[in-house]
Amino acid sequence: QVQLVESGGGLVKPGGSLRLSCAASGFTFSDYYMTWIRQAPGKGLEYVSYISSSGSTIYYADSVKGRFSTSRDNAKNSLYLQINSVRAEDTAVYYCARALSCGADCYSPGVDYWGQGTLVTVSS
Amino acid sequence: QSVVTQPPSASGTPGQRVTISCSGSNSNIGSNYVYWYQHLPGTAPKLLIYWNNQRPSGVPDRFSASKSGTSASLAISGLQSEDEADYYCSTWDDSRSRPVFGGGTKLTVL
Repeated sequence: QVQLVESGGGLVKPGGSLRLSCAASGFTFSDYYMTWIRQAPGKGLEYVSYISSSGSTIYYADSVKGRFSTSRDNAKNSLYLQINSVRAEDTAVYYCARALSCGADCYSPGVDYWGQGTLVTVSS
Repeated sequence: QSVVTQPPSASGTPGQRVTISCSGSNSNIGSNYVYWYQHLPGTAPKLLIYWNNQRPSGVPDRFSASKSGTSASLAISGLQSEDEADYYCSTWDDSRSRPVFGGGTKLTVL
């Protein structure tokens, strides 16, 4: 069965850095776009980033552009989110998620599998 | 503020039918698929509807959805206490070339 397991969350000081990882199993990882979605305390869901199956196409939300970096290692079935210059407003649960398949090299905002999430807390 | 709007709350009694709306524009809902998710606190969100009105396997047929023009709606019939959750719609927004979520609707089962 499809499993997505995030790790790397924790407490980080403003201006600091953190790297989130997502270990995928149960499907052919290299066939799918992958997505990072977050939910700040008391807020709704927000798309943070997505990356194409090959890693050649990456999207970032305006709120994280220039500070976050998404990558993947298809040989290791892993997705990563490098978070730099963190701000208080980056405090959130970060979910790794698999985008719905919509054909060759096609992105769908639909997400069919989600990890359990990892909490990032930004505080001094 | 999201470009796709949902009512912040909805409610119903057990057995009742409730609907949750998702309103957008020609650049998002009007020209792209809509997806719906159920999110219980402390758990991973769950895909309820994809491609406007398709249910993944395992989602009860009590959940249905439709789209008309620049609006979409999720209907839950035979409301149950375990349906109490947050519900989100999502779609693609052509004007900003980005995926978007609605603000979410908290459903209370009275």
